Amino acid sequence: DVKVTQSSRYLVKRTGEKVFLECVQDMDHENMFWYRQDPGLGLRLIYFSYDVKMKEKGDIPEGYSVSREKKERFSLILESASTNQTSMYLCASSLPGRAAFFGQGTRLTVV
Amino acid sequence: KNEVEQSPQNLTAQEGEFITINCSYSVGISALHWLQQHPGGGIVSLFMLSSGKKKHGRLIATINIQEKHSSLHITASHPRDSAVYICAVLNYGGSQGNLIFGKGTKLSVKP
Repeated sequence: DVKVTQSSRYLVKRTGEKVFLECVQDMDHENMFWYRQDPGLGLRLIYFSYDVKMKEKGDIPEGYSVSREKKERFSLILESASTNQTSMYLCASSLPGRAAFFGQGTRLTVV
Repeated sequence: KNEVEQSPQNLTAQEGEFITINCSYSVGISALHWLQQHPGGGIVSLFMLSSGKKKHGRLIATINIQEKHSSLHITASHPRDSAVYICAVLNYGGSQGNLIFGKGTKLSVKP
């Protein structure tokens, strides 16, 4: 079974904190993605990576950065968390052009 | 206009009913996903299809490439089918696996 594991299910952070969301997949997938999901807006792509150390901006990269030092791990970084970054964050991975597998999601609240 | 439109947005059904969720898209695609998201957040890929029809248990997905339309059917619906169903397309130019998502259909099946 493909597993995409996100490090936390729920997180509460303070405004201005640096926040790390970690995602690990165990199927040697080239592609990894970070999305956020908000009511009425659906899933929106923040960043994706198609190889180690490679990254591409998605639709809403502002306020976020990413790191992919190893193939299996893709980290999303909120440099200075703000309340408008309160959201559900979903990680996914895939082989190019193939079905994507999603993690269980991290519900982040910034207070 | 959104590139991927789903209907209906919300759907309430009685247990045992036949359910249809529709997805229309406006871009060229190489494949279409149907995803299921239960309360709590995790997303599961139900189907990935690029032509014709696929069936898994009580779930059936069809796609008409010429009409740019797909449907997800649930036969003999059950309360455990209650979830958000999301249509996502793999853009024809999206060789890296980037998906474009519909906003989802929230299904509630009453016993």
